[in-house]
Order: sequence, then structure tokens, then C-alpha cells
Amino acid sequence: AQSVTQLDSHVSVSEGTPVLLRCNYSSSYSPSLFWYVQHPNKGLQLLLKYTSAATLVKGINGFEAEFKKSETSFHLTKPSAHMSDAAEYFCVVSPTGNQFYFGTGTSLTVIP
Amino acid sequence: ETGVTQTPRHLVMGMTNKKSLKCEQHLGHNAMYWYKQSAKKPLELMFVYNFKEQTENNSVPSRFSPECPNSSHLFLHLHTLQPEDSALYLCASSPLAGGATQYFGPGTRLLVL
Repeated sequence: AQSVTQLDSHVSVSEGTPVLLRCNYSSSYSPSLFWYVQHPNKGLQLLLKYTSAATLVKGINGFEAEFKKSETSFHLTKPSAHMSDAAEYFCVVSPTGNQFYFGTGTSLTVIP
Repeated sequence: ETGVTQTPRHLVMGMTNKKSLKCEQHLGHNAMYWYKQSAKKPLELMFVYNFKEQTENNSVPSRFSPECPNSSHLFLHLHTLQPEDSALYLCASSPLAGGATQYFGPGTRLLVL
């Protein structure tokens, strides 16, 4: 069975401080893993993608994520939050085939 | 600009109406998807088309009827919907199906009265 768990529905950080958004997954296969961001009234935008190459994946806007197979985790981090990072973030697992499983999302608030 | 457009952006319809959602991608992709995004729930994959052929239907009620006339266009025909069908409907495309990066449109916000 495939599933994605985003451990925090809401995260608040101060501008300039680190961001950590947590994601755990379960998959019967070696999956592809993604992080997407959704700003209000916008579609989802890809931040980064893991496809069994390097376990540390760098994405856009200073975000990165580390694939840890032993922990079945794919947490998203950023060293320093910016106001423009405030949005909804989705972790996605894609096993083989056409299926994509989304987490319930984490809403990130950045406090000035 | 993601290269995936959706029309209309907002739609209000009664339960007896028939309407259609349109998605168009200008990225040369071969796979297209419909998703439903409801409040407090994960995105639900509804349909997948690969080279104009439907390859996934995730137990979607028949009141939702997709159509893919070519690799650039995807429609979702709606009829006799229920209030619980109110949601944001997102279209996406990818070069190929099967774990590829998806590019999303802005969505159609649907309200069923």
C-alpha cells in the first residue's frame, strides 16, 4: 500500500529562521518523491523531485530535501525563511505506473 | 506561467446542470491528469490520460466524464453533480506518465448548489 503522511498541518516560523516540513511515506516499490508548493489561488508548482539518484535533492528557492530510506522520510528544509515562502506545501509519492499519492498538506506561515 | 491553462476559473452550477471544464497544455506533454482538491483532504487523482488513452480511473462516479481529444486538451464533463462535488479541480500534464514531474494549471473552483 502507498501512503504519505505530512506530520504537521501547520508550521509557523520567523523570517530568517530555518524551515522544516516533515513527510513520511510508505510504498511497496522504490518510489519517486516530490514536494510541491501551492500559493493562494494558484496551481501547484514543483519544488524538487527525488528519483533514486542522490539522496539529498536541491530544489528551487533554496529548498532541499533528503531521502532517508531507513526512516521512510523525505523532509523539506530551507536554511532561512522568506516572507514569500508562506504557502501550502504538499509531499507526493509516486510508485511505478500512473499513480500519485498526495499528503494532506502543510500550511507554512512566516512571521515578519 | 506553467503552460497549463484551465477554463473557467470559477463555476457555479445547479445539480441538474451540465457543464464542462477545459484544460489545455502548451508544453508538448503526452500525459494529462484531473485531480480533485477538497478542503482538509489530500488531492485525489481522478483520471490519467497517456497519449490520449485513459490509463487510470480511480473509481470516479460516472457523473464525471473525461474526454481527451488530443494530447494538448483535456475536458471534464459534469452532469447531475452533488453539493459534495464542490471543490477545486486541478489539471496537470507531464512528458509521460509514470512518476514524471507534473505541471499544474491554476484550477477551476466549482460550487454545486
